[in-house]
Amino acid sequence: AQTVTQSQPEMSVQEAETVTLSCTYDTSESDYYLFWYKQPPSRQMILVIRQEAYKQQNATENRFSVNFQKAAKSFSLKISDSQLGDAAMYFCAYRRAGNQFYFGTGTSLTVIP
Amino acid sequence: DAGVIQSPRHEVTEMGQEVTLRCKPISGHNSLFWYRQTMMRGLELLIYFNNNVPIDDSGMPEDRFSAKMPNASFSTLKIQPSEPRDSAVYFCASSVTGGRTGELFFGEGSRLTVL
Repeated sequence: AQTVTQSQPEMSVQEAETVTLSCTYDTSESDYYLFWYKQPPSRQMILVIRQEAYKQQNATENRFSVNFQKAAKSFSLKISDSQLGDAAMYFCAYRRAGNQFYFGTGTSLTVIP
Repeated sequence: DAGVIQSPRHEVTEMGQEVTLRCKPISGHNSLFWYRQTMMRGLELLIYFNNNVPIDDSGMPEDRFSAKMPNASFSTLKIQPSEPRDSAVYFCASSVTGGRTGELFFGEGSRLTVL
């Protein structure tokens, strides 16, 4: 069975600093997608970044980047130059080729002014 | 383009009442998911449709819950009778099976409170 583990229930970061959120997953498949979603207090789930498993290059979206280690089944999210608006719950998600998605339990990020 | 549209945004009802949550997926998306989010259990998949057909309903808690997708542009999640433990935020999400980007697009959620 596919599982997604986020071992950090809560994290905090000073404004303008860098923070890394951890995610590991368990799978026997070789073709899949990985995602980070952000859920601010408004509760809307917003896609932050995606990574296709067949791509070796780590995805980057402005201040957000991932460290994808396929062999280790690790998919961490790095937020650079943290801003107050980054405060939210962050969910790591795995999508198998069969279109089923699995979510982690989330990491609550606090940004300290 | 319109995103996933859910209604109502908020619903407060009394125990025993029927609740119907509605979802309009993004046009062209052929997969639709219903999730429930609570503090205790996080984000749980309730049911997943592909091309309007339920593929996996193993997450539906019990017979009080039912979901339908009569056509590609509409789905409902019904709870009858509702109980206080059903209080949660219910999300609908859609995607394209095999789509290039692979992501789920979420609605804004329906917050249900059962008194």
